[in-house]
Amino acid sequence: SQKIEQNSEALNIQEGKTATLTCNYTNYSPAYLQWYRQDPGRGPVFLLLIRENEKEKRKERLKVTFDTTLKQSLFHITASQPADSATYLCALERDGQNFVFGPGTRLSVLP
Amino acid sequence: GAVVSQHPSRVICKSGTSVKIECRSLDFQATTMFWYRQFPKQSLMLMATSNEGSKATYEQGVEKDKFLINHASLTLSTLTVTSAHPEDSSFYICSARDVGEGGELFFGEGSRLTVL
Repeated sequence: SQKIEQNSEALNIQEGKTATLTCNYTNYSPAYLQWYRQDPGRGPVFLLLIRENEKEKRKERLKVTFDTTLKQSLFHITASQPADSATYLCALERDGQNFVFGPGTRLSVLP
Repeated sequence: GAVVSQHPSRVICKSGTSVKIECRSLDFQATTMFWYRQFPKQSLMLMATSNEGSKATYEQGVEKDKFLINHASLTLSTLTVTSAHPEDSSFYICSARDVGEGGELFFGEGSRLTVL
């Protein structure tokens, strides 16, 4: 069966450290994968997109990797700040049109 | 980035009534919009894909007669929850793709529905 898993429901790290979030999937073949941030009571906000032929993508303090052999994406936030505290969702492209979301990881950056 | 506006942000209704939620793309045209449902501390569950000028495509297990979707123009899709019951209480979020932006989804702010 198809499944998307994110490494943990919640992750606590100290300010200034690098946060690493994992997205693993089974029985999907996404052409690309996206990461979103969601704050409580709000809609998700797009962060990064990475295509199947790209190994790594960066945007400011964010870095995403995509390993189609392992069926895994890693999402890194370097020099983390308390303002980075939120839920982070990975989303897989499906059928060339819509997306399926993972369960999310709630990140807390402690001052 | 593109802006998607959703209205109302909160609605409380009595059991058995119908509620309409609007989703508008403000600065781009969206031939396709998506409706999601999210329960507390859970991820987004895709309910249906709304296509301008044609019928919506519903995900398995989503009752199309209960969740009516209309996408009458390139900037507006509506979701009507008919004969609402307390178990329909949830956070409903719409999104749209601006194909010129590389495929990312732009989300509305969500609508919290509470059915008494």
